[in-house]
Amino acid sequence: DTAVSQTPKYLVTQMGNDKSIKCEQNLGHDTMYWYKQDSKKFLKIMFSYNNKELIINETVPNRFSPKSPDKAHLNLHINSLELGDSAVYFCASSQVSGGHTQYFGPGTRLTVL
Amino acid sequence: AQKITQTQPGMFVQEKEAVTLDCTYDTSDPSYGLFWYKQPSSGEMIFLIYQGSYDQQNATEGRYSLNFQKARKSANLVISASQLGDSAMYFCAMREGNTGGFKTIFGAGTRLFVKA
Repeated sequence: DTAVSQTPKYLVTQMGNDKSIKCEQNLGHDTMYWYKQDSKKFLKIMFSYNNKELIINETVPNRFSPKSPDKAHLNLHINSLELGDSAVYFCASSQVSGGHTQYFGPGTRLTVL
Repeated sequence: AQKITQTQPGMFVQEKEAVTLDCTYDTSDPSYGLFWYKQPSSGEMIFLIYQGSYDQQNATEGRYSLNFQKARKSANLVISASQLGDSAMYFCAMREGNTGGFKTIFGAGTRLFVKA
């Protein structure tokens, strides 16, 4: 009964490929997020969806495209992968009650060769 | 300008002692939330504690307490009776406002080492 799950946990791919990361939450939350954590552990928000609507879209290359088919799912598709995309990508979810405390998935370690 | 500042890149503490991890924040929004997360070497992000800007009392959760000093804009995490399993990276974070965006900004983190 994992609260926020992500697949895959590890992703190793070649430059130029297209890949997707999937995220699902069973907490009944209405807001979901994608974060990127770089090699120095700095965590930066990329996107946020509230009730399937995009509400945060930080300065992220348009090779990154989030998709939220429903409130419980938020996927991240990355086109034309570059070396600099190597990082850990975290999905998170939150709800208004509790001050929008975000609960994180286990992370997906993406390595671009 | 940095919105969340954690000035201690690394900290050492003896097992069973208390330790304070510093965090200062910057916002002009009267409504905000402050959070602490723990990231052990296994990589997951674990929520520890939350403090709302209008909360009168400092938040506590088990061995964790948040020393909230609003006028000084500080939200230090206090861990009492440190355990070896507390060795991890700790992140302070702030969410501004209550509506639209729910954007949360994270500090650079403090790596805590607990010595036996």
